[in-house]
Amino acid sequence: EDKVVQSPLSLVVHEGDTVTLNCSYEVTNFRSLLWYKQEKKAPTFLFMLTSSGIEKKSGRLSSILDKKELFSILNITATQTGDSAVYLCAVALGGYGNKLVFGAGTILRVKS
Amino acid sequence: SQTIHQWPATLVQPVGSPLSLECTVEGTSNPNLYWYRQAAGRGLQLLFYSVGIGQISSEVPQNLSASRPQDRQFILSSKKLLLSDSGFYLCAWSPTGGHYNSPLHFGNGTRLTVT
Repeated sequence: EDKVVQSPLSLVVHEGDTVTLNCSYEVTNFRSLLWYKQEKKAPTFLFMLTSSGIEKKSGRLSSILDKKELFSILNITATQTGDSAVYLCAVALGGYGNKLVFGAGTILRVKS
Repeated sequence: SQTIHQWPATLVQPVGSPLSLECTVEGTSNPNLYWYRQAAGRGLQLLFYSVGIGQISSEVPQNLSASRPQDRQFILSSKKLLLSDSGFYLCAWSPTGGHYNSPLHFGNGTRLTVT
């Protein structure tokens, strides 16, 4: 069974802290790994990673993939209260339909 | 640009009543379409996906069905709701053809409470 596991399940930090969110996966047909941010409603796309060791960066957020060890991390530096959200990791499967398998998410709360 | 619309935003239905949730996409043609459900504290579970009109693939056995009567319209239905159908339902789309390795883009979801 295809599986994506995220850790921690939740964490609380103070503004300005740096956080690292983890995602490991076991799937039969890996195509890419994606990170989403979900605040109240629609998950919004952050990154797609297909190659090991190449960091993707957008402002204070960055992510990297290790296809040998089957995991990815999402880093957020200098956190702000607006970073409070659920962060979802998903693996896109090869084959028909471009399907995503999601982890349970990490709930991040940034306190001012 | 492409947009996805999903309605209603919230719905409270009694057990045994029917369900119809609708999703439409604008600004693209022949998209892949998806229905996901998100239970409290859990990740998104894929329910159905469609790669074209009238083509529906079901991922999990359940009390729900999906239909795609038009290219950019995706409907989630049930004849008789169960308490376990409560949850947050998300519709999503992605491009097809040469854009197969593309992220999914989600609608704002429908929060369904079955009482």
